[in-house]
Amino acid sequence: NAGVMQNPRHLVRRRGQEARLRCSPMKGHSHVYWYRQLPEEGLKFMVYLQKENIIDESGMPKERFSAEFPKEGPSILRIQQVVRGDSAAYFCASSPPRPAGAFFGQGTRLTVV
Amino acid sequence: GDSVTQMEGPVTLSEEAFLTINCTYTATGYPSLFWYVQYPGEGLQLLLKATKADDKGSNKGFEATYRKETTSFHLEKGSVQVSDSAVYFCALSAARGGADGLTFGKGTHLIIQP
Repeated sequence: NAGVMQNPRHLVRRRGQEARLRCSPMKGHSHVYWYRQLPEEGLKFMVYLQKENIIDESGMPKERFSAEFPKEGPSILRIQQVVRGDSAAYFCASSPPRPAGAFFGQGTRLTVV
Repeated sequence: GDSVTQMEGPVTLSEEAFLTINCTYTATGYPSLFWYVQYPGEGLQLLLKATKADDKGSNKGFEATYRKETTSFHLEKGSVQVSDSAVYFCALSAARGGADGLTFGKGTHLIIQP
């Protein structure tokens, strides 16, 4: 049973480009969470999704950020028109329907140049 | 809202020393509590957890006890090793929809010297 898979591991974008981060949850997990870790900071919750539904997006910036978890395929975190302040590590976590502790992917490190 | 406060680092210890990393929390209801560890360049790994008051989570020689009266979940290890060098995050479940959305502390960087 593979763990939570995130790709790419490293992503470099120029200011104004779009960044797409992918996350495949563990098999049997229907809950996906995205977190952002800024340099020297802890992880901040961004969004919680179930298949085809956004359950809680209270941590998402109001503009340029969106997330989806389609019926088929990985969850996608999309950042449009990236700015330098978006540079961070983005972690995805998944958990089964019954809460048991979330499992994290290795993260995508986004650098905006 | 929910919050987690943990001691700031870096914490530098010699090998075989006793470790305590303090963590306190503020939450409504009865959250579950977690310690995660992040090794350099890696994602977070669940180290241990406790789901109700007075529960003790333990793993790899690390322990933490859920203290409701002091709203604390301090991480301890009797004898640390160089391989324990990492960043440690205390977290609580935010009960978002009854699932595992987590609120994290800022992390404590632990450095173990041989």
